[in-house]
Amino acid sequence: TQLLEQSPQFLSIQEGENLTVYCNSSSVFSSLQWYRQEPGEGPVLLVTVVTGGEVKKLKRLTFQFGDARKDSSLHITAAQPGDTGLYLCAGALYNFNKFYFGSGTKLNVKP
Amino acid sequence: EPEVTQTPSHQVTQMGQEVILRCVPISNHLYFYWYRQILGQKVEFLVSFYNNEISEKSEIFDDQFSVERPDGSNFTLKIRSTKLEDSAMYFCASRSDRSTDTQYFGPGTRLTVL
Repeated sequence: TQLLEQSPQFLSIQEGENLTVYCNSSSVFSSLQWYRQEPGEGPVLLVTVVTGGEVKKLKRLTFQFGDARKDSSLHITAAQPGDTGLYLCAGALYNFNKFYFGSGTKLNVKP
Repeated sequence: EPEVTQTPSHQVTQMGQEVILRCVPISNHLYFYWYRQILGQKVEFLVSFYNNEISEKSEIFDDQFSVERPDGSNFTLKIRSTKLEDSAMYFCASRSDRSTDTQYFGPGTRLTVL
């Protein structure tokens, strides 16, 4: 059973385009994180969202936590080839002793 | 900037052998985790550790697995009798304290069981 569903699984776009990645669940999370992972490396934290409805911006990346804290989205504006990578969402249900990861979205930005 | 380190970067072992994967969490961090990622699949939680005991473990973390913090700096994952399906990247992560949910991941150990 997938606690966190990410979509799309794969995304190939041209440089300059916008995109949105979704992370959905039927469970309520106390917090949700977004990571980026390069091949052969560990996940690198991009952002943590905690409050329902929260929006955080990191340069061209905008992260939103759903009002009910069951879902989240990552929006990238004017994607660049350097954005290419695997984007993962992960959530903690009630404490931070266990984190559930989504299956990831593999993004390819073509020059 | 402090970081989590893991050794070895790649471990090759024969089926049935024991392996120990080593992690040095960020110093002064209190919470430690092991995850695995089978090639092409998602990151899976194995176990969390705090105050010298396991806080939570997944169904994957059965009797063949154990964790230890033998001294003030290392955090180890032992797999007692490796199976082919244990081949994966194993990631260690650490978190500073109760007030934050931010985990910092190490670069991983690639375990190959032949």
